[in-house]
Amino acid sequence: QKEVEQNSGPLSVPEGAIASLNCTYSDRGSQSFFWYRQYSGKSPELIMFIYSNGDKEDGRFTAQLNKASQYVSLLIRDSQPSDSATYLCAVNTGFQKLVFGTGTRLLVSP
Amino acid sequence: EPEVTQTPSHQVTQMGQEVILRCVPISNHLYFYWYRQILGQKVEFLVSFYNNEISEKSEIFDDQFSVERPDGSNFTLKIRSTKLEDSAMYFCASSEASNYGYTFGSGTRLTVV
Repeated sequence: QKEVEQNSGPLSVPEGAIASLNCTYSDRGSQSFFWYRQYSGKSPELIMFIYSNGDKEDGRFTAQLNKASQYVSLLIRDSQPSDSATYLCAVNTGFQKLVFGTGTRLLVSP
Repeated sequence: EPEVTQTPSHQVTQMGQEVILRCVPISNHLYFYWYRQILGQKVEFLVSFYNNEISEKSEIFDDQFSVERPDGSNFTLKIRSTKLEDSAMYFCASSEASNYGYTFGSGTRLTVV
């Protein structure tokens, strides 16, 4: 059973559009949720975290959490070509580890 | 901005040899981790380390792997008797608290030939 699931994509959006990335997780005891960005050949870079149900905004990024549906999403407003990367959803189930999804590849075309 | 430092950036080793991957976590972080990513696959948890002992480990982290914090700054991953399937990017990470986001190092690309 996969613990964290993401659509692998690619998700293609034009520059300036909103990109919507989704993630589901299986462990109802999961406590904290993270979105990382990973450029090809580079390490994951933390861009957002969310602990409570609802929305959390940081600049062009909004994370949304629905614990009842076991669903986390990331919205990127005014997408830029530099946002083209793989976006990794990661979940902390209460133990000392983050479990990552396979990532969604985002392509933003000029 | 504080960063996690990993060395070397790339290591090539022969099958059966031992390798040590090195990491300097962020100085005020208390939790340390090793992850690996095989090319084209997801980031996989190997081990977490807190208070000078292993707190969690995955099935991947078998007897050929060990971790150590030999001094106040370094955190190492040793792989004994490397296999071809150990070829991957190995990431070290650290965090202030166990439920905080992790800061990842730039990784060591290990190639076993």
